[in-house]
Amino acid sequence: GAVVSQHPSRVICKSGTSVKIECRSLDFQATTMFWYRQFPKKSLMLMATSNEGSKATYEQGVEKDKFLINHASLTLSTLTVTSAHPEDSSFYICSAPLLGGEFTDTQYFGPGTRLTVL
Amino acid sequence: LAKTTQPISMDSYEGQEVNITCSHNNIATNDYITWYQQFPSQGPRFIIQGYKTKVTNEVASLFIPADRKSSTLSLPRVSLSDTAVYYCLVGDPWGGSQGNLIFGKGTKLSVKP
Repeated sequence: GAVVSQHPSRVICKSGTSVKIECRSLDFQATTMFWYRQFPKKSLMLMATSNEGSKATYEQGVEKDKFLINHASLTLSTLTVTSAHPEDSSFYICSAPLLGGEFTDTQYFGPGTRLTVL
Repeated sequence: LAKTTQPISMDSYEGQEVNITCSHNNIATNDYITWYQQFPSQGPRFIIQGYKTKVTNEVASLFIPADRKSSTLSLPRVSLSDTAVYYCLVGDPWGGSQGNLIFGKGTKLSVKP
């Protein structure tokens, strides 16, 4: 089945540094990928839509200069948390839609990246 | 992740109230119930979350009976822009799995003029 990977799975950094998270679709191409942040009680909040070959679109309230997204190829999207602060500590997840799958617009999610900012 | 069952599709007209019910008989004590909305070619977006009784926000209401084996998403006075797929998820989406989460079929709501 379709697989989406994320790297790293866990990262700890100092406040003020930048952290890059990679999202890869391993056996299918994705012109669009989505980035989420998981909040307490396990709900997912859509942060932005990553578009291959064009700028990402951000959800209301998400700072685009804070969360830089680059969709470098049809299988790779990166999320860079710039000048990270403790409040950015969270679980970040990406997903990629598999068009033509069993369900309409089936979303395949990566395993997530746990970011801890000290 | 508790298994959920929802109707595949529902039709409604503008201005009507729409209620979508999700069954989750195996819900665990610590599980929360979360509903998402997805438009074509977009990622699922959070709508509402609850644990028991009733929760209301500016978009929808969520009704959860005492046994928590089901939940009902209520959309008041729907408009054409509410046409989307609605997903019910229970508990931690990962629950120890290694990714490859699929939201499932959801309920495709079609709002007609």
